[in-house]
Amino acid sequence: EDQVTQSPEALRLQEGESSSLNCSYTVSGLRGLFWYRQDPGKGPEFLFTLYSAGEEKEKERLKATLTKKESFLHITAPKPEDSATYLCAVPPAGGTSYGKLTFGQGTILTVHP
Amino acid sequence: SQTIHQWPATLVQPVGSPLSLECTVEGTSNPNLYWYRQAAGRGLQLLFYSVGIGQISSEVPQNLSASRPQDRQFILSSKKLLLSDSGFYLCAWSRNSGANVLTFGAGSRLTVL
Repeated sequence: EDQVTQSPEALRLQEGESSSLNCSYTVSGLRGLFWYRQDPGKGPEFLFTLYSAGEEKEKERLKATLTKKESFLHITAPKPEDSATYLCAVPPAGGTSYGKLTFGQGTILTVHP
Repeated sequence: SQTIHQWPATLVQPVGSPLSLECTVEGTSNPNLYWYRQAAGRGLQLLFYSVGIGQISSEVPQNLSASRPQDRQFILSSKKLLLSDSGFYLCAWSRNSGANVLTFGAGSRLTVL
């Protein structure tokens, strides 16, 4: 069974204090790893998809990286508006529907001014 | 551009009452459609997905059902709600081919009393 584990569960940062969130996964034949951002009371918003070990993608202060067993979401010089829950997810190893994602529990990020 | 609408946004229902949550997608045809549930403090759990009109797959045995009467309409229903049905329900869509991104609706907060 595919498993996705995120750590830490919660992270408090001061504005400008860089850090990383971790997403470890157990799935054979990874067909992509997805990162989403979720604001309170709203639906998740897509950030990145990574497909192969060594791949990196960036968006503003966020950079996602992928290894064979885990992914990191690096946050550089965060601002209070980066506060949200960050979710990672993987599709099943087999089958045809990529939307059947297994999600991690998420990391709640709070950035204090 | 594609948009996804989900309603109602908030719902408070007594135990034993029926439920109907509706989701529609605009700007695309033949999407894959999904219902996820997010319990408090937990990750997203896939409930149902559909690859076409009248085609519904259930991921988790439960008190809920789903229907897709039209190409871009997805409905989540229950005949009699249980306390355990409380949660945040999210509709999502993806393209029907390739490693496609899930786009989520704004969510429906259901409280069963």
